[in-house]
Amino acid sequence: QVQLQQWGAGLLKPSETLSLTCVVYGESFTDYYWSWIRQPPEKGLEWIGEINHRGSTNYNPSLKSRLTMSVDTSKNQFSLKLSSVTAADTAVYYCARGGASKYSYGYGRLNYWGQGTLVTVSS
Amino acid sequence: IVMTQSPLSLPVTPGEPASISCRSSQSLLHGNGHYYLDWYLQKPGQSPQLLIYLASTRATGVPDRFSGGGSGTDFTLKISRMEAEDVGVYYCMQALQSPATFGQGTKLEIK
Repeated sequence: QVQLQQWGAGLLKPSETLSLTCVVYGESFTDYYWSWIRQPPEKGLEWIGEINHRGSTNYNPSLKSRLTMSVDTSKNQFSLKLSSVTAADTAVYYCARGGASKYSYGYGRLNYWGQGTLVTVSS
Repeated sequence: IVMTQSPLSLPVTPGEPASISCRSSQSLLHGNGHYYLDWYLQKPGQSPQLLIYLASTRATGVPDRFSGGGSGTDFTLKISRMEAEDVGVYYCMQALQSPATFGQGTKLEIK
């Protein structure tokens, strides 16, 4: 059974770096893209970006200058770092499994999701 | 690509059908002939779940009362008979180009 479990700091001050990690159980880590999506309180979903096991990434241009994604294939983990956070980055952050890794882009199909992590940015 | 859903709120009587529209600012047709449009349901207090991908393919375990259709820039999610467990917010997402983009969401509730 495929499970994604995520963790990371839930309270940050402005200008700090958001850091989240997601571990994958029950799935071939090398076959898929691994995605991050966020949802501000009472708002809709925003796709942040994705990474595959080779480290190939696709980032949302609106966040690209502050965004770094990485993978640790030995642990079936992938991570998100977002620098210089502001209150506008307050959201629930989700990790999810995307499409096949053999292509240059995951093409959606976010079939499995983590439980979500609420990250609050406040001074 | 901008995604626009309608309506934004939809009260439905149990047992009755429901339909949600999603329009994209450009065609979602890939050169391989597939339309890269997903539908997700976010039940209250839960993570979103995939319902439909490639515009009309149900994800594993999704009841057959859910169906997706459409082409070009216009897509529809239909529920043949509303059940209480179907309440939540429905999102369409274009997956043709990076960055993937979501519609605003349609809140489906029991009338």
